[in-house]
Amino acid sequence: DTGVSQDPRHKITKRGQNVTFRCDPISEHNRLYWYRQTLGQGPEFLTYFQNEAQLEKSRLLSDRFSAERPKGSFSTLEIQRTEQGDSAMYLCASSHLAGDTAQYFGPGTRLLVL
Amino acid sequence: AQTVTQSQPEMSVQEAETVTLSCTYDTSENNYYLFWYKQPPSRQMILVIRQEAYKQQNATENRFSVNFQKAAKSFSLKISDSQLGDTAMYFCAFLNRDDKIIFGKGTRLHILP
Repeated sequence: DTGVSQDPRHKITKRGQNVTFRCDPISEHNRLYWYRQTLGQGPEFLTYFQNEAQLEKSRLLSDRFSAERPKGSFSTLEIQRTEQGDSAMYLCASSHLAGDTAQYFGPGTRLLVL
Repeated sequence: AQTVTQSQPEMSVQEAETVTLSCTYDTSENNYYLFWYKQPPSRQMILVIRQEAYKQQNATENRFSVNFQKAAKSFSLKISDSQLGDTAMYFCAFLNRDDKIIFGKGTRLHILP
């Protein structure tokens, strides 16, 4: 088990473009979380899945953001019509519902919107 | 609203010294979990230590230990015999009943040679 992985690690895009990020959780983890972290701040919760079901979405997640976890394994986070304010680190974490309660984080995808 | 407060934005200590990072939180829940995460300059968030609120005994992990004061809603992290590799941002975090982690703003810790 190699931990949570995220792809890409870095993304530079122009304002108005769409971007998609992928997260592969630790195998057997049934919960998957997305967070956003801006410079000098702690991560902020965006949304999470239990298996393929999206259980909660933060008010931070505008209608330009959509997340999926179609088969209960990997997840994608898409941002449509990107804005400069979307520039941040997007972190993915996973945990096991019946496990040790801790969430294990991936390395993140750093997004820069020009 | 549940909040996590880290009052020390930045700290520096000499290698081999002991350092304590402060954290307070606010919640009306009785059962919850608290964590300290470390985020080195490479940005990978790593779990350092966790505490279950119903356990009175303070958690320890090698050189890392916590002082959990439930009534005061305080959860400080002590790093003993600090090493250069401990240089990182440290986030105090609270796991609520909805399984969302609420993070503090972090303390940037510098270990000086």
